[in-house]
Amino acid sequence: AQSVTQPDIHITVSEGASLELRCNYSYGATPYLFWYVQSPGQGLQLLLKYFSGDTLVQGIKGFEAEFKRSQSSFNLRKPSVHWSDAAEYFCAVGAGIHKLSFGAGTTVTVRA
Amino acid sequence: GAGVSQSPSNKVTEKGKDVELRCDPISGHTALYWYRQSLGQGLEFLIYFQGNSAPDKSGLPSDRFSAERTGGSVSTLTIQRTQQEDSAVYLCASSSVGTGNSYEQYFGPGTRLTVT
Repeated sequence: AQSVTQPDIHITVSEGASLELRCNYSYGATPYLFWYVQSPGQGLQLLLKYFSGDTLVQGIKGFEAEFKRSQSSFNLRKPSVHWSDAAEYFCAVGAGIHKLSFGAGTTVTVRA
Repeated sequence: GAGVSQSPSNKVTEKGKDVELRCDPISGHTALYWYRQSLGQGLEFLIYFQGNSAPDKSGLPSDRFSAERTGGSVSTLTIQRTQQEDSAVYLCASSSVGTGNSYEQYFGPGTRLTVT
């Protein structure tokens, strides 16, 4: 069965600083990988996805993620965070066409 | 265009009562999913619909939970005899299966269910 681990429960970062959120997955085949963001009281918004091809994927809001098969990782990065990036971030792996397995999430706090 | 919508946004019910949660997927999306988000459990898959049929119900936690979808569109998640442990945010998502984006699920804002 597939699983996703987000090692960091909570990260605090200064506005303008870089951000990296870690995600490790366990899956026997080529994974479909996603990052979602959830702002307070909101649903999940897809930031970016990896299906195949270029291992560095660009997403919305200036985010990018890199798939590293050798490390079973799909870390999310942003070079310069904005206060509006404060939210909870979820990494997910799609196994089969219909089921996403999510990590526990990482809460990002942005300080001025 | 319009995204996934869910109603009600909040529901408070007494233990033992039945509740119905509604999901309107994105127009044209044939696949529909229900997830539950609760403290300590994270995001859990509940059920998947392709059209009006549900090939995977493996995430439904008990027989008190059921879901249906009609007309290949609206879905209703019903919880009978609610228990306090059912308190959670119930999220619905939809996707267009059969294209390159079939794994891209779009989520609604959720229904926050509180069982007192």
